[in-house]
Amino acid sequence: EVQLVESGGGLVRPGGSLTLSCAASGFTFSSYSMGWVRQAPGKGLEWVSCISTSGKYTYYGDSLKGRFTVSRDNAKSSVFLQINSLRVDDTGIYYCASILTHYNWNDMGSWGQGTLVTVSS
Amino acid sequence: QSVLTQPPSVSAAAGQKVTISCSGSNSNIGKNYVTWYQHLPGTAPKLLIFDINKRPSGIPDRFSGSKSGTSATLGITGLQTGDEGDYYCASWDSGLSVVLFGGGTKLTVL
Repeated sequence: EVQLVESGGGLVRPGGSLTLSCAASGFTFSSYSMGWVRQAPGKGLEWVSCISTSGKYTYYGDSLKGRFTVSRDNAKSSVFLQINSLRVDDTGIYYCASILTHYNWNDMGSWGQGTLVTVSS
Repeated sequence: QSVLTQPPSVSAAAGQKVTISCSGSNSNIGKNYVTWYQHLPGTAPKLLIFDINKRPSGIPDRFSGSKSGTSATLGITGLQTGDEGDYYCASWDSGLSVVLFGGGTKLTVL
């Protein structure tokens, strides 16, 4: 059974940093690209980032470039999202997802339950 | 404001059919695949339709997808109360090199 378990969320002060982790199991992690999606309170889904199987290719949401860094460790079946200079509007649930196809970054087939990030002073 | 435009809400009676539209542009829906997600309260989003009209295993054929030009449509037949939730379209934008989500459509089953 495919499992994605996010961790690393919590309460952070504005301007702080955070690294979210997503541990994968139940599939050959190194064969799948991975993505991150977030949802602010009361808002819709917002795509954050994706990373290719080897980590060579990474993409970020338009307003997020420069503060977000995605990475992966295939040996540990994990993907990470580092967020710097956190802002209040970064508050939300962050989901990691495995990408179903090799040709379509928006085909997120399996999702974790999410980890809550709260940015507040 | 989302680049992919969805109606904020739709509703229909149990057992009936509903469609949800998603309007984009030539750089996203016009040249790339469309994906649809279901997000029920308190759960993780679920992939419903990928590559415009393909269903992952376990998704019933009550759910269907189509595309015409720069717009896509999700259809749901035989509505059930368990279908109530938010539905999102998504597509890669070749000009921006980003994945775009629609703003989401809240489905109410009457």
